[in-house]
Amino acid sequence: GQQLNQSPQSMFIQEGEDVSMNCTSSSIFNTWLWYKQDPGEGPVLLIALYKAGELTSNGRLTAQFGITRKDSFLNISASIPSDVGIYFCAGRMSGGTSYGKLTFGQGTILTVHP
Amino acid sequence: DAGVIQSPRHEVTEMGQEVTLRCKPISGHNSLFWYRQTMMRGLELLIYFNNNVPIDDSGMPEDRFSAKMPNASFSTLKIQPSEPRDSAVYFCASSHQGSEDTQYFGPGTRLTVL
Repeated sequence: GQQLNQSPQSMFIQEGEDVSMNCTSSSIFNTWLWYKQDPGEGPVLLIALYKAGELTSNGRLTAQFGITRKDSFLNISASIPSDVGIYFCAGRMSGGTSYGKLTFGQGTILTVHP
Repeated sequence: DAGVIQSPRHEVTEMGQEVTLRCKPISGHNSLFWYRQTMMRGLELLIYFNNNVPIDDSGMPEDRFSAKMPNASFSTLKIQPSEPRDSAVYFCASSHQGSEDTQYFGPGTRLTVL
């Protein structure tokens, strides 16, 4: 089945630093998504990308859909303590039995030191 | 507005017992997803429903797992008999039909099978 390789697995940064994480796949996805999970909660959608090459921002977050459709990255600028959590990439293929089915990366654990 | 509601939030049971997890999707959403999250395997889609009909159950681990959606506002995931390797956090998520990327996750049920 499809697999998403997300890196890094964890990051320890100082408040104010920028953060970058990425996801690669051996398969082509038509949609890339980035979720954040706080401790004890379910994942929350941050950004959705629908077109190869698309660059989308949501506040201090910026994500891009790779032109090969096999990768995506997420950047967080000027990190703050509440950015702490686990960030997941997810990909979706369209059509057929894959419709609606998301494949998730293993997650990047972000720790921000004040 | 209420989000996705899951119960119980925590369940501790003994091997061999039946476990039933419950989910109430967001009102008006007609797609419902059950996920399992573990450290080893990350977030895995178990099954999803569209308009109360199971669309893809290829992620259900084995016959011990079953899911039902008797109406638009309620779904159950049952494990019978439970085994220690079933210990995980089980998430329910819902979305509007046609917007399956924007999945709203519940807080999860943490299941421990002793």
